[in-house]
Amino acid sequence: EAQVTQNPRYLITVTGKKLTVTCSQNMNHEYMSWYRQDPGLGLRQIYYSMNVEVTDKGDVPEGYKVSRKEKRNFPLILESPSPNQTSLYFCASSFGGPSNTEAFFGQGTRLTVV
Amino acid sequence: SQQGEEDPQALSIQEGENATMNCSYKTSINNLQWYRQNSGRGLVHLILIRSNEREKHSGRLRVTLDTSKKSSSLLITASRAADTASYFCATVETGANNLFFGTGTRLTVIP
Repeated sequence: EAQVTQNPRYLITVTGKKLTVTCSQNMNHEYMSWYRQDPGLGLRQIYYSMNVEVTDKGDVPEGYKVSRKEKRNFPLILESPSPNQTSLYFCASSFGGPSNTEAFFGQGTRLTVV
Repeated sequence: SQQGEEDPQALSIQEGENATMNCSYKTSINNLQWYRQNSGRGLVHLILIRSNEREKHSGRLRVTLDTSKKSSSLLITASRAADTASYFCATVETGANNLFFGTGTRLTVIP
């Protein structure tokens, strides 16, 4: 089944403790991206990647890192999480990028930083 | 640099009625996409309409695009309780590779 898989689905952590949210897709998509969703603000893009070893900042990249060492994986790294990073996070992928086709989304990771 | 703004923010209708949601954006676009999200879950793509298209249909969904007014509408005909969800428009600016989402319309269909 074609899908985007995020892990974990739920995470509660403490301020400053490094964490990684994994994202994997099995559709051989070149383009992958991360979004955060907050009430009243919709979805905002954090980082995106056009292909392996190519990443770029989105709207709200501060406090986040990403890497794209393999085509299927695009982990989101929070080196020193803070409470304002409490949010619902989504990974998405698409074939050739959003200018060409639709995006497929993971089920989301609800992160709470205390 | 959020692109889309949906209107209304919330909509409540009876089952069987039609639901119309509108989206306005600010710059020239490559395409506009509509997504659906059930409460707290992942987004599901509904329709993509390109800047040179004016209307698209998919089942009970009809999307229009007016690039001169920088606006789009999503019509869901003969709504069902299962259509209850949040609906988002998302735009891709011309020459860009980012998808910018609006804040969404929360649709409630009452059985």
